[in-house]
Amino acid sequence: EDKVVQSPLSLVVHEGDTVTLNCSYEVTNFRSLLWYKQEKKAPTFLFMLTSSGIEKKSGRLSSILDKKELFSILNITATQTGDSAIYLCAVGHAGNNRKLIWGLGTSLAVNP
Amino acid sequence: GAVVSQHPSWVICKSGTSVKIECRSLDFQATTMFWYRQFPKQSLMLMATSNEGSKATYEQGVEKDKFLINHASLTLSTLTVTSAHPEDSSFYICSARDQTASGGGELFFGEGSRLTVL
Repeated sequence: EDKVVQSPLSLVVHEGDTVTLNCSYEVTNFRSLLWYKQEKKAPTFLFMLTSSGIEKKSGRLSSILDKKELFSILNITATQTGDSAIYLCAVGHAGNNRKLIWGLGTSLAVNP
Repeated sequence: GAVVSQHPSWVICKSGTSVKIECRSLDFQATTMFWYRQFPKQSLMLMATSNEGSKATYEQGVEKDKFLINHASLTLSTLTVTSAHPEDSSFYICSARDQTASGGGELFFGEGSRLTVL
């Protein structure tokens, strides 16, 4: 059965800390791995990863994929209170509809 | 960037009534849209894949007679919760893929619809 496992489930840090969020997966017919940030409403897209070892960066956020060990990490440096959110990892199937298999998310709280 | 609009964003209804939620892709055509349900502090649960011009594909455990999906055009999919009951209260989110974009087509989400059944 396809599954995506995120860890930790929740995390509390202080502003300025660096955090690493983990996402491991067992999915047949892998196409891509995606990271989303969810605050109050729908998720907002962060990264899409398809190739191993190539880091994607956006400001203080970065992510990398390891297709051999079947995991990805999302790093956030110099955290701010606005980074508080649920971070969701999803793996996309390569089938016709390319549906996503979702992890349960990591709830991040950044305290001032 | 591509935008997906979902309406209504918030609805309260009485038990036994039906509620329709719309999902529109505003500046791109989407042959496939996805409907998700999310319970508090839980991840998104895929309910069904909506295919333009054909029947939706439902995930295991999702009642297709309960959650009617219609994808009548390339920019509109609707989810109707029929004979709603309090246990149907949830946050429903749709997404659509912009298949014309490079890189495989980014998935865009609607703002979600919070359904409360009294």
